[in-house]
Amino acid sequence: QSVLTQPPSLSGAPGQTLTISCTGSSSNIGAHDDVHWYQQLPGTAPKLLIHETNNRPSGVPDRFSGSKSGTSASLAITGLQAEDEADYYCQSYDSSQSAYVFGTGTKVTV
Amino acid sequence: QVQLVESGGGVVQPGRSLRLSCAVSGFTFSSFPMHWVRQAPGRGLEWVASISYDGSDKYYGEWLKGRFTISRDNSKNTLFLQMSSLTIEDTAVYYCARVGYGDPNWFDPWGQGTLVAVSS
Repeated sequence: QSVLTQPPSLSGAPGQTLTISCTGSSSNIGAHDDVHWYQQLPGTAPKLLIHETNNRPSGVPDRFSGSKSGTSASLAITGLQAEDEADYYCQSYDSSQSAYVFGTGTKVTV
Repeated sequence: QVQLVESGGGVVQPGRSLRLSCAVSGFTFSSFPMHWVRQAPGRGLEWVASISYDGSDKYYGEWLKGRFTISRDNSKNTLFLQMSSLTIEDTAVYYCARVGYGDPNWFDPWGQGTLVAVSS
């Protein structure tokens, strides 16, 4: 049972901007410096998309950016492309559960 | 390049046991903590367990209630997950992942996953 809440689905036209929210609490997102994001393309394993709130691993387009404020975080996809159709998950660590936690996941449709 | 390859999944009856393996290459396995994460069909990601670089510290999701054991063999560059008293709710794709250091730590890279199906 995830303690990080994301919208179940979002859709947008090519070229548009989408923002995925990730809402947590003072025991997870609010208790740590950063949030991380993963992209899961259909039928594949998750892939690290953003680490430490707004750092992109090599090979990740700069269309993806992240931010964090208090107990929430956001992932923005600018210039949406068809290849961005995937599930997106945020991730933190919950001190009250002593467990790594993932968001509920957001399915992006282009 | 860095590779993580899981194996050991399959169909198993409720109450039985299964051991998953994750063979690693492309980096110094003995220097990194490792994780197991699972994903039930059509569901989200769920952290299962983590182990320190030398195997001395192990961490588990509270919901596991002691049924799973994470371990590693640094001489063979292999991570393990011993699962016992399996239930239908344990049906999922199980991924191994390397730690990324931060506050909090993250998961990168991931293996391709191995499917565990618990069914009578």
